[in-house]
Amino acid sequence: EIVLTQSPGTLSLSPGERATLYCRASQSVSSSSLAWYQQKPGQAPRLLIYGASSRATGIPDRFSGSGSGTDFTLAISRLEPEDFAVYYCQQYGGSSWTFGQGTKVEIK
Amino acid sequence: EVQLLESGGGLEQTGGSLRLSCAASGFTFSSYAMSWVRQAPGKGLEWVSAINTGDNTYYADSVKGRFTISRDNSKNTLYLQMNSLRAEDTAIYYCAKRLAYSTGNGFDYWGQGTQVTVSS
Repeated sequence: EIVLTQSPGTLSLSPGERATLYCRASQSVSSSSLAWYQQKPGQAPRLLIYGASSRATGIPDRFSGSGSGTDFTLAISRLEPEDFAVYYCQQYGGSSWTFGQGTKVEIK
Repeated sequence: EVQLLESGGGLEQTGGSLRLSCAASGFTFSSYAMSWVRQAPGKGLEWVSAINTGDNTYYADSVKGRFTISRDNSKNTLYLQMNSLRAEDTAIYYCAKRLAYSTGNGFDYWGQGTQVTVSS
């Protein structure tokens, strides 16, 4: 089973700052299989990025994804108040899905 | 508008059973793979099970042999039969619609979740 490790665990930033979140896989994964989600307290997750770099419908362009192989990145160019949340990466392979443990982006 | 509405959660004893349902609307249900994802209190997301358009089923090791996923395309409904429940199955259970195969991996719509609590 592929393990996804996200870093950092918590990111403390101010609105307007840039956020960079990392997701490392225990073995190489297809870029087409890598997705990112945002989850706010009491809400279901929301798909942000699929295929490592494609934004889902309705996602603002301040969100961008990149990476390949074992290392992937989610960047938020300028944090808006509504962006403070927990972010998860996810991969699909071998007829199963795995999620990273999450990165919390909190207001500094 | 795509909507996924879960039901069937509740409080059950260790070793008991529950059947979750997810009523889908706003899209051609039969054309998309579906999954169940759970989230234990204060924890992250855990994929539980999936079913594709050909009714092939897939399970996480943690539930294999105890849970059964199924779908009824005539009723636009996804199910999760949960047997031999354990305390560690306590979680919010979400149903999620997968992106079209041609688009790639990702769950683009999620229900609001249903709480399952397993207690002795």
